[in-house]
Amino acid sequence: GQQLNQSPQSMFIQEGEDVSMNCTSSSIFNTWLWYKQDPGEGPVLLIALYKAGELTSNGRLTAQFGITRKDSFLNISASIPSDVGIYFCAGQLYRRDDKIIFGKGTRLHILP
Amino acid sequence: GAVVSQHPSRVICKSGTSVKIECRSLDFQATTMFWYRQFPKQSLMLMATSNEGSKATYEQGVEKDKFLINHASLTLSTLTVTSAHPEDSSFYICSATSLSGGNSPLHFGNGTRLTVT
Repeated sequence: GQQLNQSPQSMFIQEGEDVSMNCTSSSIFNTWLWYKQDPGEGPVLLIALYKAGELTSNGRLTAQFGITRKDSFLNISASIPSDVGIYFCAGQLYRRDDKIIFGKGTRLHILP
Repeated sequence: GAVVSQHPSRVICKSGTSVKIECRSLDFQATTMFWYRQFPKQSLMLMATSNEGSKATYEQGVEKDKFLINHASLTLSTLTVTSAHPEDSSFYICSATSLSGGNSPLHFGNGTRLTVT
């Protein structure tokens, strides 16, 4: 079945640094989604990408839908303490009611 | 924006009892709802896909008689964990989407922490 490989698994950075994480897949997806999850809460949608090559920003976050449709990356610029959490990439095959496959997550830590 | 509400947020039950978790879409009609399970420090694992008015589609390895899903209306889906055991303790999260009105990315509820004693 489809699998998403998300890396890195965890990151330890200084406040103010930029962050980059990515997801690759063995299968093509028509939608890529990036979520952030805080402890004890559900994932919150950060960015949705619907078109190959699309580059979308949401404040300090930027994500791109790879041309091959098999990868996506998320960048966070000038990290702040509230960026701490787990970031998940997710891919959806065709329709909006298709199931979504999640990556294993990237745990972001910010060092004091 | 789209809001998905999940209730309860936490529940503790005794082994052998059943627990019902509700998932509601508050400002849109959810043609499809999904139920996920998440163990500590792990990713979300899809349990089943639920379409309004029809039987849920379960992922491989998920017991449909143990995890009963009902999607009775376009705004409500329920997951009932029957005869719960301690190994069913987990974080259960629902999500909802709609086919109408352009792109509709998946939105999640805030999850239900189930502890079976």
